[in-house]
Amino acid sequence: TQLLEQSPQFLSIQEGENLTVYCNSSSVFSSLQWYRQEPGEGPVLLVTVVTGGEVKKLKRLTFQFGDARKDSSLHITAAQPGDTGLYLCAGAPGGTSYGKLTFGQGTILTVHP
Amino acid sequence: DAGVIQSPRHEVTEMGQEVTLRCKPISGHNSLFWYRQTMMRGLELLIYFNNNVPIDDSGMPEDRFSAKMPNASFSTLKIQPSEPRDSAVYFCASSPLGGVHGYTFGSGTRLTVV
Repeated sequence: TQLLEQSPQFLSIQEGENLTVYCNSSSVFSSLQWYRQEPGEGPVLLVTVVTGGEVKKLKRLTFQFGDARKDSSLHITAAQPGDTGLYLCAGAPGGTSYGKLTFGQGTILTVHP
Repeated sequence: DAGVIQSPRHEVTEMGQEVTLRCKPISGHNSLFWYRQTMMRGLELLIYFNNNVPIDDSGMPEDRFSAKMPNASFSTLKIQPSEPRDSAVYFCASSPLGGVHGYTFGSGTRLTVV
């Protein structure tokens, strides 16, 4: 079973601060995705990273896939209250389990005005 | 597109009753996934279908749970009989290409078994 460990589990910061969320595994993934979930809703896909070492930017969010495709990070610059939510990483194992995503436990981010 | 549509949004039922959750995936998506989310266990994959065929149901907790996908536009997850420990939010998600490049989730069904 492939596991994804996310850290930290909880993050409470002030508006304008920077933060990084980590997603680590001992397994190799063919791709890794980040989702954001708000209360009462399903997770919404933010980004997919596929190539080892890949960096993608989405406005103030920067996503990085580790060179060995076992880990990933999400960095938010100048956090806003609207960034508050549950952030989930998910890995796709490839091979015969193609498409069967494994989700991390999530990071609950609260950004205070 | 209206996205993935789940019904009902909320379900409260008594222990022992049958519960049926419904999902309409995005048109053209050939993979459909049922997940359960709880505070303790996070998001757990229950079962997934490719082209209406169940591929992996190893996450279905017990025989009380069953899922069907009679056609490309409809799937059901049934719990019979329901138990209080089944209380959770159940999500349906769909994807093209088997899900490797991301899922689109529905808004979920919050199930409470009393």
